[in-house]
Amino acid sequence: EVQLVESGGVVVQPGGSLRLSCAASGFIFDDYTMHWVRQAPGKGLEWVSLISWDGDKTYYADSVKGRFTISRDNSKNSLYLQVNSLRTEDTALYHCAKDRGGSYPGVFDYWGQGTLVTVSS
Amino acid sequence: DIQMTQSPSSLSASVGDRVTITCRASQSISSYLNWYQRKPGRAPKLLIYGASSLQNGVPSRFSGSGSGTDFTLTISSLQPEDLATYYCQQSYSTPPENFGQGTKLEIK
Repeated sequence: EVQLVESGGVVVQPGGSLRLSCAASGFIFDDYTMHWVRQAPGKGLEWVSLISWDGDKTYYADSVKGRFTISRDNSKNSLYLQVNSLRTEDTALYHCAKDRGGSYPGVFDYWGQGTLVTVSS
Repeated sequence: DIQMTQSPSSLSASVGDRVTITCRASQSISSYLNWYQRKPGRAPKLLIYGASSLQNGVPSRFSGSGSGTDFTLTISSLQPEDLATYYCQQSYSTPPENFGQGTKLEIK
């Protein structure tokens, strides 16, 4: 069974930093691209970032470019998101999601429950 | 940048009703359109990928259709457990960053 478990969400002041983690199990982690997707309170889903299976390719939403860094450790079946220079508008539930891959890249076939980041003074 | 527009933004229907949600892309995305269900307090769940392929384990009352710019998610017979917000998402471009704004489905 595929499981994705996020952690690391806390209350942080504007300008602060933190690292989110996602522990993956139930599939061959280093075969798949992985994503972070967030949902702010009362808002819709917003894609944040992706990293290729080998970590060589990364992409970011314009809203987080230059402030967030995605990474992975395939030896630990783990995905990370380093978030810096946090703004109040970064307050959201952050989900990691597995890419379906194959003939349908860019499809998020499994999601974690999410970890809540609250940016507030 | 590809914009995804869903309609309606909310709807209310009765158990047993046929429900249709539409999604329009600002440019052709072939069949690279996916649908997700977000129940309150739960992780989002993939329902349909490639416009019409049903994800494993998803009830057959859910179906998807369309290609190019216009797509539809249909629930053939609404069930109480279908209370959720539904999102479309394009996977035509890299990164696959565009979701629709969501359709909140309520049960009468």
